[in-house]
Amino acid sequence: SQTIHQWPATLVQPVGSPLSLECTVEGTSNPNLYWYRQAAGRGLQLLFYSVGIGQISSEVPQNLSASRPQDRQFILSSKKLLLSDSGFYLCAWRRRVGNNEQFFGPGTRLTVL
Amino acid sequence: AQSVTQPDIHITVSEGASLELRCNYSYGATPYLFWYVQSPGQGLQLLLKYFSGDTLVQGIKGFEAEFKRSQSSFNLRKPSVHWSDAAEYFCAVGVYSSASKIIFGSGTRLSIRP
Repeated sequence: SQTIHQWPATLVQPVGSPLSLECTVEGTSNPNLYWYRQAAGRGLQLLFYSVGIGQISSEVPQNLSASRPQDRQFILSSKKLLLSDSGFYLCAWRRRVGNNEQFFGPGTRLTVL
Repeated sequence: AQSVTQPDIHITVSEGASLELRCNYSYGATPYLFWYVQSPGQGLQLLLKYFSGDTLVQGIKGFEAEFKRSQSSFNLRKPSVHWSDAAEYFCAVGVYSSASKIIFGSGTRLSIRP
């Protein structure tokens, strides 16, 4: 069966510090991968998606970047965090073919102080 | 542009009462539609989905949803809620493309009154 992991689960970082959040998927190959952010009391905003290794599409201009160094690894990064980067970050995957149901990871709670 | 509207930000119902969460979408073709549930501090779990066929869709945990094309709606229902149903509920529409993105509504928070 397929599983998706995110780490860390929680993170508290000072403003101006770098960020690296990792997402890995097991039990499938060549998935589409997605990063979402959920601000307090708000819905999910799609940040990045990837249809293959090294292929990253950005949905909104922001202080973050994403990379996909391996087929089942998706990384969210920042060189200098802002207060507004605080939120709940969710990674998701879907199969390349078939219906487009997405499966979500457990999320990372990021607090920037 | 595709969009999803969940008009109710917060709903409170009594345990054992029926529930209906509203969802309206905007999409130019026959949509893929989803309902996800999120418990506090957790990821999202798929409750049910509609792709085609029968417009009344059954999901997990006793939930169902009905696709009404004429009203562009996909409302979620449950005949009798349990305290464990307290959570955030998200309606979403799938977008046809190579990336197969999903557009989420802003969510409805469900509270259960004992």
